[in-house]
Amino acid sequence: AQSVTQLGSHVSVSEGALVLLRCNYSSSVPPYLFWYVQYPNQGLQLLLKYTTGATLVKGINGFEAEFKKSETSFHLTKPSAHMSDAAEYFCAVRGGGADGLTFGKGTHLIIQP
Amino acid sequence: DAMVIQNPRYQVTQFGKPVTLSCSQTLNHNVMYWYQQKSSQAPKLLFHYYDKDFNNEADTPDNFQSRRPNTSFCFLDIRSPGLGDAAMYLCATSREWGPGQETQYFGPGTRLLVL
Repeated sequence: AQSVTQLGSHVSVSEGALVLLRCNYSSSVPPYLFWYVQYPNQGLQLLLKYTTGATLVKGINGFEAEFKKSETSFHLTKPSAHMSDAAEYFCAVRGGGADGLTFGKGTHLIIQP
Repeated sequence: DAMVIQNPRYQVTQFGKPVTLSCSQTLNHNVMYWYQQKSSQAPKLLFHYYDKDFNNEADTPDNFQSRRPNTSFCFLDIRSPGLGDAAMYLCATSREWGPGQETQYFGPGTRLLVL
């Protein structure tokens, strides 16, 4: 079974500041890890994913995340926040097989001017 | 553009009145998923189809059913909606489940309101 914990239901940063959204997971099998973004009243858009290989993955809109097996973490970062980054961010994990995603509870990112 | 389409975007139904939500995809993916997302909560998997094989999550209520008549379409049927079923329903697809093909692509969702 898999589970995801996102620390902080709300994160507020100033425009231009570093964005750090935390995600820890547990998985009984080597995990596939994902970050999705959701804008109000819209579906989920994939930001980036880790499956195998390089542990630092780059995604869209300047986001990146690092898979740290020893810490069971997959934190999302962006060097400089933009107003358009304000949204809900979900970390998700998936095991093998045609399984659905297990999502964290989400982090609402607020960008202050 | 290839995509996942959900209709309608907003659906209003009455307590106890059956309702069907639809999802179609032009991606020709083998796997289709239905998630329920209640307000300010994470999406929760209800069930998925791998081709024609239906896989129900253990805690999905019997009130929820699904049909996949062909590769492109998948339907979510709620037989007797209750007030607690008001939510956003998200459809997603993935090409396969193996490495490199496991990414899930989401539709825009259908927001269901139960009166």
